[in-house]
Amino acid sequence: AQSVAQPEDQVNVAEGNPLTVKCTYSVSGNPYLFWYVQYPNRGLQFLLKYITGDNLVKGSYGFEAEFNKSQTSFHLKKPSALVSDSALYFCAVVNAGNNRKLIWGLGTSLAVNP
Amino acid sequence: DAGITQSPRHKVTETGTPVTLRCHQTENHRYMYWYRQDPGHGLRLIHYSYGVKDTDKGEVSDGYSVSRSKTEDFLLTLESATSSQTSVYFCAISEITGYDTQYFGPGTRLTVL
Repeated sequence: AQSVAQPEDQVNVAEGNPLTVKCTYSVSGNPYLFWYVQYPNRGLQFLLKYITGDNLVKGSYGFEAEFNKSQTSFHLKKPSALVSDSALYFCAVVNAGNNRKLIWGLGTSLAVNP
Repeated sequence: DAGITQSPRHKVTETGTPVTLRCHQTENHRYMYWYRQDPGHGLRLIHYSYGVKDTDKGEVSDGYSVSRSKTEDFLLTLESATSSQTSVYFCAISEITGYDTQYFGPGTRLTVL
């Protein structure tokens, strides 16, 4: 079965420290991977995506993600966390075999402490 | 929010009443989606549309219907609302399904009493 896993429900990090939000996937064929962020009482906002090419993808607000095919992972990273980064983060992957609909992770709540 | 509006933004209704949520886009994107978001379940696709009058079911379509008579509008109808349909509903759009980025509206918080 094709799936996305975000193994941590919550991540806590101190402001100024690097942050990582983890995502692993299981799909047939080549994956197309996405990260979205949701601030309180808002809709989801696109951060970045991996389609092909360079394994390190840079996105909005200083975030980046590294595609690792051998580990089937697409972890979201930022070198120095801000309190304003506190939000809910979702990883998603395209299910190429099923009308190309996105498969969503359950989300990881990131709390950046001052 | 990428030219996407949802109405109403909040609604409280009673069990058994019909409810229609509207999604309106100004981006002229071909694909439109309705999701619901619930704690512990993440985002779940209800229905989607790949063109005017072309719609298909998602993973949680029971109890919901949709219509798309114009490119810019995608309506979600709960024919007879139930308490299990209390949720936050998000509309999304994309130019190309799956491989392209989806852009989300601000959401509608629906409470069914």
